[in-house]
Amino acid sequence: GAGVSQSPSNKVTEKGKDVELRCDPISGHTALYWYRQSLGQGLEFLIYFQGNSAPDKSGLPSDRFSAERTGGSVSTLTIQRTQQEDSAVYLCASSSARGLSGNTIYFGEGSWLTVV
Amino acid sequence: AQSVTQLDSQVPVFEEAPVELRCNYSSSVSVYLFWYVQYPNQGLQLLLKYLSGSTLVESINGFEAEFNKSQTSFHLRKPSVHISDTAEYFCAVTQGGSEKLVFGKGTKLTVNP
Repeated sequence: GAGVSQSPSNKVTEKGKDVELRCDPISGHTALYWYRQSLGQGLEFLIYFQGNSAPDKSGLPSDRFSAERTGGSVSTLTIQRTQQEDSAVYLCASSSARGLSGNTIYFGEGSWLTVV
Repeated sequence: AQSVTQLDSQVPVFEEAPVELRCNYSSSVSVYLFWYVQYPNQGLQLLLKYLSGSTLVESINGFEAEFNKSQTSFHLRKPSVHISDTAEYFCAVTQGGSEKLVFGKGTKLTVNP
């Protein structure tokens, strides 16, 4: 597609429920990133994919968070047993090749998650 | 661990005035530096980046930033702002070889008529 597409754009869920957030990167982009933007913490790195593997998942805040990428394209971020502190905007980004040094990463508009 | 400090959370200025948004980072070892902009109700967009070479980098819309290794700073400047520059600006850093961008908490620039 023309840009990074994320769905849903808005999600309200009850505490304790599981949620799945989807990211469709720019066609042909091999690198994919998930970030979280919240009022108290700013922008935080969650996980980085190169193809289908995740060389860096050091930013996942707990074992309730997981992410996968299939076919080197679409990625899903899953949050199990959601808590109120999970409320944030979840941003996905993609890049055409390995390495931030030479490549611009393009961000989607985010999925707004509210846990009530 | 890397950290980024944006000293001003909000900067109000009048149209056509100069502006400087400050950014300091914690380590100068082989870093790459970025400024991102987030316009109201839009996603993050790359404004400019420093990878190597000339320490002064420019964007297409008149912003510039200078990498200062001794002061570990990467301040963003524009000599004359427009109302359309109203947005939130994020400074970010990564070390060579890492894919993890560390962001500052952002500076909200409001340009008033």
